[in-house]
Amino acid sequence: EAGVAQSPRYKIIEKRQSVAFWCNPISGHATLYWYQQILGQGPKLLIQFQNNGVVDDSQLPKDRFSAERLKGVDSTLKIQPAKLEDSAVYLCASSPSGTGHSNQPQHFGDGTRLSIL
Amino acid sequence: SQQGEEDPQALSIQEGENATMNCSYKTSINNLQWYRQNSGRGLVHLILIRSNEREKHSGRLRVTLDTSKKSSSLLITASRAADTASYFCATRETSGSRLTFGEGTQLTVNP
Repeated sequence: EAGVAQSPRYKIIEKRQSVAFWCNPISGHATLYWYQQILGQGPKLLIQFQNNGVVDDSQLPKDRFSAERLKGVDSTLKIQPAKLEDSAVYLCASSPSGTGHSNQPQHFGDGTRLSIL
Repeated sequence: SQQGEEDPQALSIQEGENATMNCSYKTSINNLQWYRQNSGRGLVHLILIRSNEREKHSGRLRVTLDTSKKSSSLLITASRAADTASYFCATRETSGSRLTFGEGTQLTVNP
């Protein structure tokens, strides 16, 4: 099966600019996650979607970050305006849904490496 | 905040040796998962152990879970250069659906 697709792979912008990342999950996976991974740290969940609804966005800095999954398939994550501290890798992951989904592994894309100048 | 804490932060061994990584966590969990991340790539799921399980094997991987001590260990036997990567534990708490990752162990296997 095709894996989780993310684009772009790399992005360099200046602070206060805006940027958007795209993710296409594995076909049929209802749950989609966006993570932020700062260098040397583990991934931190930003937002979780179940189909096109938000399940958990408690760790999303909503003053500058937004995400949508309008048709319940692919998703975009936006940062506006970017700060220096947003330099990180942004990972998208997906997993199946339904009974027992808490024991399903998450499948990750290779991420977008964002550098803020 | 990160729930899991891995120990050691970095580990360097020779090919053929065993590698052991430890993970401690703070709250009650539904399951604990281990992931591998090669440089510049996404995370790959290795193994999941449920809270009512004590040990699990998958190929050269052996995972143990001690819920009384809130700790887990990942053993990689007969390591290979290709095992060089960062290894993360992740916990799914009983009270929610979020997966919380630790800081990771950087494993280097020298040929």
